[in-house]
Amino acid sequence: ETGVTQSPTHLIKTRGQQVTLRCSSQSGHNTVSWYQQALGQGPQFIFQYYREEENGRGNFPPRFSGLQFPNYSSELNVNALELDDSALYLCASSLPSGKGNTQYFGPGTRLTVL
Amino acid sequence: AQTVTQSQPEMSVQEAETVTLSCTYDTSENNYYLFWYKQPPSRQMILVIRQEAYKQQNATENRFSVNFQKAAKSFSLKISDSQLGDTAMYFCAFMKQTGAGTYKYIFGTGTRLKVLA
Repeated sequence: ETGVTQSPTHLIKTRGQQVTLRCSSQSGHNTVSWYQQALGQGPQFIFQYYREEENGRGNFPPRFSGLQFPNYSSELNVNALELDDSALYLCASSLPSGKGNTQYFGPGTRLTVL
Repeated sequence: AQTVTQSQPEMSVQEAETVTLSCTYDTSENNYYLFWYKQPPSRQMILVIRQEAYKQQNATENRFSVNFQKAAKSFSLKISDSQLGDTAMYFCAFMKQTGAGTYKYIFGTGTRLKVLA
């Protein structure tokens, strides 16, 4: 267990819908990153939040957005879902400084878009 | 742009034997970190081992050790005395700091390791 939790575990949506995924980081971890992991692939960086501001984004369109809250929780929102959005979504939290800024991953939310 | 390459999609090893997973990366940075993460089937991704680029000494963590060759941009993971619980997907990752409190991680495509009884 890494102390990072995500909800829901599984989610099924249809194309065009909107979805919100949630993550609760370890206390004190005010950097959180979100990743998309397609089946059989490595995690792809979506964006990172630090002190409630987006600070870094990968090659994902604006319909992927996020929020980070003062209580170390965060959200990933995806609008206008597409079939290719089906994947495991991981959040990872870390301290802003320390031993290599190791990320601690949550168990992920598996999103299926039909 | 940084890239991370894992050239072995799948590997298998007999229980109690030793196996080495390969990882190469490309970067022009001098200060960075390298990681190996393990993702067991349907379970959480966890850190296996971490290496600071400025350290010449290879990191070790119990049965896990790395061979870090900075000039060659190579970062292999050696698992000694393999156990059934080592069966998992292994990801090599590169990390650099991009600002105050922010970092950029790039993952390889993974190596699926199966330990055989």
